[in-house]
Amino acid sequence: DQQVKQNSPSLSVQEGRISILNCDYTNSMFDYFLWYKKYPAEGPTFLISISSIKDKNEDGRFTVFLNKSAKHLSLHIVPSQPGDSAVYFCAASPGGGADGLTFGKGTHLIIQP
Amino acid sequence: DAGVIQSPRHEVTEMGQEVTLRCKPISGHNSLFWYRQTMMRGLELLIYFNNNVPIDDSGMPEDRFSAKMPNASFSTLKIQPSEPRDSAVYFCASSLGRNQETQYFGPGTRLLVL
Repeated sequence: DQQVKQNSPSLSVQEGRISILNCDYTNSMFDYFLWYKKYPAEGPTFLISISSIKDKNEDGRFTVFLNKSAKHLSLHIVPSQPGDSAVYFCAASPGGGADGLTFGKGTHLIIQP
Repeated sequence: DAGVIQSPRHEVTEMGQEVTLRCKPISGHNSLFWYRQTMMRGLELLIYFNNNVPIDDSGMPEDRFSAKMPNASFSTLKIQPSEPRDSAVYFCASSLGRNQETQYFGPGTRLLVL
C-alpha cells in the first residue's frame, strides 16, 4: 500500500515556464514533507520542506504548497531552467529528521529549450 | 563538509556471497538511515539508528540483512548470503536527529548480484 503517491511518472515543461509537480499521501500521521531532486548516479539532494503547521514555503524559484484536508502537496518551480531536469521525489515523515522517510516513486521532470 | 560517504560505489558479486556496504555520516549527525532503491518498489527505508542505537528495522527484508553502527562515524549494511533480487542501489542518509531536520543522502552503492 503506497502511502505517498506521485501519479505522474514524467512531466515535460518548456524552459521559462512553471513546473508543477504533485504528490498525494494517505497517512494522517505525516506532519513533515520534503522534496528531493535526484540526478542519475547521485544520491537524492534536499530541495525544500514544509511542516504541517504551514500551507506554503518558498525558497527562491521553489515553492511547496500543502493542502492538509486534501492530503496533497505540490512543488512549483518558476521559472523552469534546463538544470532542473531531474527526478523529483516527494517524501513524508511523522517526525521529520528523527524518523525514516516514506518516498513517492518520483516524477521525471524534463525541461525543454 | 564532505557529506555522507558511502563505499564501495559499485559492487558486483555472485549469488551466495557476503556483501558489506559502508557509510560514514556527516560529522555531528545523530541519526543514520539506510534506504534501498529498486525499479519495482522505489526508495524504501530499511533501518535507522539514533545515537548508534537501532530504532526501527521493520523495513529490513529478511534475516539475510543486518546493519550495525559501532560508533557515531561508521555504519555497515551486510547481506549474507546475497541473492539476485538484492540487486539495487543502497543509500545511506544522516540527519541531526531532531524533529523536522533534513536528511542528507550519500551517493549510493549500486549492487549487482549475479
